[in-house]
Amino acid sequence: GENVEQHPSTLSVQEGDSAVIKCTYSDSASNYFPWYKQELGKGPQLIIDIRSNVGEKKDQRIAVTLNKTAKHFSLHITETQPEDSAVYFCAVSMNSGGYQKVTFGIGTKLQVIP
Amino acid sequence: DAGITQSPRHKVTETGTPVTLRCHQTENHRYMYWYRQDPGHGLRLIHYSYGVKDTDKGEVSDGYSVSRSKTEDFLLTLESATSSQTSVYFCAISEPGGTGELFFGEGSRLTVL
Repeated sequence: GENVEQHPSTLSVQEGDSAVIKCTYSDSASNYFPWYKQELGKGPQLIIDIRSNVGEKKDQRIAVTLNKTAKHFSLHITETQPEDSAVYFCAVSMNSGGYQKVTFGIGTKLQVIP
Repeated sequence: DAGITQSPRHKVTETGTPVTLRCHQTENHRYMYWYRQDPGHGLRLIHYSYGVKDTDKGEVSDGYSVSRSKTEDFLLTLESATSSQTSVYFCAISEPGGTGELFFGEGSRLTVL
């Protein structure tokens, strides 16, 4: 099955600095790469995603890059703010007859220090 | 926010007792999932459903069963709870032909003593 590795498991940055979280995957058939943010006591929520035919996608302060050849993708958060503090999960997904077969990374706990 | 309600939100039980967690959605999404979240493991799929009475196993299904008698409700049952099933359980939904996004409930924290 699919194997997703996520690094680092914890990350502390000063407010205003950038944060980068990296993930690798094993199954070249995977074609959808979402990132989820989980705030304390809540369920994960999608913040950005990228599909296999795209190399980079941006949404304001967050961006995701994908290298399909190397099977890795990364989340970049610029100008970090205290409200960015949360656990971030990368995920790798493929559509299997309508069912989203999703494998998650172990998560990165991001702390933004004011 | 997606209309997903999990109950109970917190439960403490003893080893060997049965436990049922409920997920209720108001989005009429076809697919429903149960995940467990544990430190160092991320989110792992227990079971999923692709329609009323249609369910299948995920990667960590041992010790769990599910049922879906209505589109809106997906039940997760631990027939005889063990301490290794202490976890936070999340229900999620998705729609075939949609973006691929999973919409999660707020979680149910289960402690098995």
